[in-house]
Amino acid sequence: TQLLEQSPQFLSIQEGENLTVYCNSSSVFSSLQWYRQEPGEGPVLLVTVVTGGEVKKLKRLTFQFGDARKDSSLHITAAQPGDTGLYLCAGGELTGGGNKLTFGTGTQLKVEL
Amino acid sequence: IAGITQAPTSQILAAGRRMTLRCTQDMRHNAMYWYRQDLGLGLRLIHYSNTAGTTGKGEVPDGYSVSRANTDDFPLTLASAVPSQTSVYFCASSPQSGRFDEQFFGPGTRLTVL
Repeated sequence: TQLLEQSPQFLSIQEGENLTVYCNSSSVFSSLQWYRQEPGEGPVLLVTVVTGGEVKKLKRLTFQFGDARKDSSLHITAAQPGDTGLYLCAGGELTGGGNKLTFGTGTQLKVEL
Repeated sequence: IAGITQAPTSQILAAGRRMTLRCTQDMRHNAMYWYRQDLGLGLRLIHYSNTAGTTGKGEVPDGYSVSRANTDDFPLTLASAVPSQTSVYFCASSPQSGRFDEQFFGPGTRLTVL
């Protein structure tokens, strides 16, 4: 079983601060997805990165896939209370049946006013 | 468009009882998945189905069974519930139309086994 470790597990910051969440594995993935989950709901996809070294930006969120496709980071600039939620990375493996995802352990982010 | 619906929303169950969690999608997606979510462990795959009529085991399949009689429905059954199956259960689907498909999740079922 491939493992994806996320750090930190919990993060509480003030509005306007910057933060970075890390997702690390010893295994190579064909793709890396980031999801955000709000209380009482299922995860929702934020981004998919597929090329080693790839960087994608989504407004104040910057996602990077490691050169070796074993790790990823999510950087949030000027965090806002609306960014509060559980962030999950998920490594994708291409199988005969499609894209199988292995989820990370999650980072719970709280942004306070 | 409803997307994925799950039922019940929550349930308290006595140990040893049988329970079926329901999942229905209206997106005509080929693949469906069941995950359990526990604090500090993220989402762990229980069972999956790449297409109607086929199922496969995920990371933590013991104590659970699934069936996929048609495209839309993917029920998860606990034959004899145990307290360690207390968790939040999420059903998901994906179109399997591309190499890096997104998974779409239902709202979850919170299950407590006493």
